[in-house]
Amino acid sequence: EAGVAQSPRYKIIEKRQSVAFWCNPISGHATLYWYQQILGQGPKLLIQFQNNGVVDDSQLPKDRFSAERLKGVDSTLKIQPAKLEDSAVYLCASSRSEGMGEKLFFGSGTQLSVL
Amino acid sequence: GQNIDQPTEMTATEGAIVQINCTYQTSGFNGLFWYQQHAGEAPTFLSYNVLDGLEEKGRFSSFLSRSKGYSYLLLKELQMKDSASYLCASRKDYKLSFGAGTTVTVRA
Repeated sequence: EAGVAQSPRYKIIEKRQSVAFWCNPISGHATLYWYQQILGQGPKLLIQFQNNGVVDDSQLPKDRFSAERLKGVDSTLKIQPAKLEDSAVYLCASSRSEGMGEKLFFGSGTQLSVL
Repeated sequence: GQNIDQPTEMTATEGAIVQINCTYQTSGFNGLFWYQQHAGEAPTFLSYNVLDGLEEKGRFSSFLSRSKGYSYLLLKELQMKDSASYLCASRKDYKLSFGAGTTVTVRA
């Protein structure tokens, strides 16, 4: 079974530039998550999709971050414009559903450095 | 957030046992996960507890007390490859929130 695919693996940009990350979840997984992990901290949920609908985006800085999951499969996360504090690893995860015991499978992440 | 607390660092010797404690808010709780994360890699699932008690899976065991808002992950017969960050994650409704992680260093 193929895992969660993410690209790019690394990205370096200057502040005020824009950047986009792509995620392809495990086939058949209805729930998709974007987490931000700052060095030395645990992952923080940015947005959660159930199929192509948003379940939770309460911690997404909506003035600069946007995400979409067209057709309920792939997803993209965009930052425009980027700030220095956005430097982090952006992890995409998927699960079969939102069910209580459903475990999340994570991709390798995109490491973003904002200079 | 869900105020998930776990120690920042722990060090142990190869072959020894280490216990990583985690406390969380009990309101709306419906499950506790442990994930392992090696440096520069994605988190991988270790265990899930929703009922009180101990779940054993090989060298790793996880315990939950719902009334106390407390869990621990027990790593036995430590190996060098167990050096990693261990993330406690609490599920409230549909949302999974992670603690900051405990970095375990295994020394020869």
